[in-house]
Amino acid sequence: AQTVTQSQPEMSVQEAETVTLSCTYDTSENNYYLFWYKQPPSRQMILVIRQEAYKQQNATENRFSVNFQKAAKSFSLKISDSQLGDTAMYFCAFMIDPNFGNEKLTFGTGTRLTIIP
Amino acid sequence: SAVISQKPSRDICQRGTSLTIQCQVDSQVTMMFWYRQQPGQSLTLIATANQGSEATYESGFVIDKFPISRPNLTFSTLTVSNMSPEDSSIYLCSVEFQVGTDTQYFGPGTRLTVL
Repeated sequence: AQTVTQSQPEMSVQEAETVTLSCTYDTSENNYYLFWYKQPPSRQMILVIRQEAYKQQNATENRFSVNFQKAAKSFSLKISDSQLGDTAMYFCAFMIDPNFGNEKLTFGTGTRLTIIP
Repeated sequence: SAVISQKPSRDICQRGTSLTIQCQVDSQVTMMFWYRQQPGQSLTLIATANQGSEATYESGFVIDKFPISRPNLTFSTLTVSNMSPEDSSIYLCSVEFQVGTDTQYFGPGTRLTVL
């Protein structure tokens, strides 16, 4: 079974600063995908970024980037130039490659991020 | 991008009753899923809603408690049966637009409170 661990229950940072959220996972699979979702107070789950495990290059989406360390099973999210709208709960999630298993997303427990004006 | 809607957005129900939650997508999707998010916790997959066949349930979830329908490629329902206060959660549907793709997109969720 796969597990996802987020060791930071809460974080806060000043607006415009950079923040890094950590995530580690455990799996015996070699083909999988990793995701970061954000859940603002509206409770809508929004996809932030995804990473294929077979790609060495770290994914980036505008101000969001990841540091994917496959050997260490680590998948951290960096938010640059943080904005008030980034305030949300952030969930790290794991999925086995759909070609090798079901499409079940396994989520971590989340990190509550607050951006301070 | 497609729009995913859920009805109701929230409800307060009495113990012992049942509630059916609807998930509607404005385009055809191959896979639909139902997740539960208990208060202050993460999301847990309840089941995969298969079009034209019975849903596939995860360990700890049973059809009698959470019957699911998927009559077509744009719509699914989840019923929470014989509710107790422990069923108070946010229920979210998610979709995958193509078989074998890896990315799920979520609806806005239904907040259920059971008294």
